Amino acid sequence: GAGVSQSPRYKVAKRGQDVALRCDPISGHVSLFWYQQALGQGPEFLTYFQNEAQLDKSGLPSDRFFAERPEGSVSTLKIQRTQQEDSAVYLCASSPTGGGGRNSPLHFGNGTRLTVT
Amino acid sequence: GENVEQHPSTLSVQEGDSAVIKCTYSDSASNYFPWYKQELGKRPQLIIDIRSNVGEKKDQRIAVTLNKTAKHFSLHITETQPEDSAVYFCAASSTGAGSYQLTFGKGTKLSVIP
Repeated sequence: GAGVSQSPRYKVAKRGQDVALRCDPISGHVSLFWYQQALGQGPEFLTYFQNEAQLDKSGLPSDRFFAERPEGSVSTLKIQRTQQEDSAVYLCASSPTGGGGRNSPLHFGNGTRLTVT
Repeated sequence: GENVEQHPSTLSVQEGDSAVIKCTYSDSASNYFPWYKQELGKRPQLIIDIRSNVGEKKDQRIAVTLNKTAKHFSLHITETQPEDSAVYFCAASSTGAGSYQLTFGKGTKLSVIP
């Protein structure tokens, strides 16, 4: 596939459950981002990886949120003990170069829509 | 950190008219300003971007202008078509030490009326 792939496309979780969201970036892309998009809002930055290194996690809203990219390709965003306010679309994006979002365009996935009931 | 304000939040235009969306940013060191188009239920897609060493950039019916002194940039769409209907997001890069994020505006919902 040529694009960024995210799974699952939809996830319903009961409050208190743990969830794991997967992102397959474009092959060879160095940079990987996670964004949270609430309904009717713009994407809000969560975290950034350059290869396997997590260089910026300043946007993670609490210690319930954890992200990893152990081999520098696939990434997983994990949310522990989900709360209703975690309901949102979680977008993954990748770009071919390092240096974050200022050096090359971001290619987004279709996102995972998380609903916490 | 960077703060991006976007206006208007909604915009309706007649097919064939022009549409203008404006954004302001707070970090004078930001140097990269992309625009994304997001159709309902789909991924944001880059439509045009501009760097701070350029004042204007055009791509067919789309143009972006940048005023670094005033810290604002605008998206211009001419000869609008119904397929231009979508939510448009502006963004600005943060260039502070250890900062890698792209900061987005809240979006403008553009409706092109046939």
